[in-house]
Amino acid sequence: EAQVTQNPRYLITVTGKKLTVTCSQNMNHEYMSWYRQDPGLGLRQIYYSMNVEVTDKGDVPEGYKVSRKEKRNFPLILESPSPNQTSLYFCASSRTGEAKNIQYFGAGTRLSVL
Amino acid sequence: AQSVTQLDSQVPVFEEAPVELRCNYSSSVSVYLFWYVQYPNQGLQLLLKYLSGSTLVKSINGFEAEFNKSQTSFHLRKPSVHISDTAEYFCAVSEGDSSYKLIFGSGTRLLVRP
Repeated sequence: EAQVTQNPRYLITVTGKKLTVTCSQNMNHEYMSWYRQDPGLGLRQIYYSMNVEVTDKGDVPEGYKVSRKEKRNFPLILESPSPNQTSLYFCASSRTGEAKNIQYFGAGTRLSVL
Repeated sequence: AQSVTQLDSQVPVFEEAPVELRCNYSSSVSVYLFWYVQYPNQGLQLLLKYLSGSTLVKSINGFEAEFNKSQTSFHLRKPSVHISDTAEYFCAVSEGDSSYKLIFGSGTRLLVRP
């Protein structure tokens, strides 16, 4: 089954404690992206990756890091989480080329930073 | 700058009544348009898309949306809603071949009452 898998689904942490949210896709997609969803703001892009070892900032990258060492994985790293990073996070992936822009989303990770 | 506006944050409607969820966008270039649906505690699922061709696009569960270039709109409609349609609906835009990034509206919560 084609899917984007995020882990964990729920996470409660404290300010300053480094954490990683994993994202994996099994569709051999080149493009991967992270979004955060906040009430009344919709989804905003944090970082994206066009392919292995190619990453770039989205609209709200401050406080986040990413890496793309393998095509299927795109982890989101919060080196020193703060309460304003409490949010619902989504990973997405898509092909580039003919079917591009049709992005497939993971089930989401709800993060609370105390 | 590219943006997406969903004016209605919440739309309550009775079961079997028609519904329209509004979406307007601003862009100076050609766009691809999407509606995503998020059921409670789930990730985003693609509901329908406009890439090119016929301006009226339909989903398998009775929703339809029409791309209106002159009014820069992509409103979502359903002639008769069901309780199971209760969800949050996001309109999203990408700037065609030049970008893989999705710009989301703030979302509209559709609440279907018996």
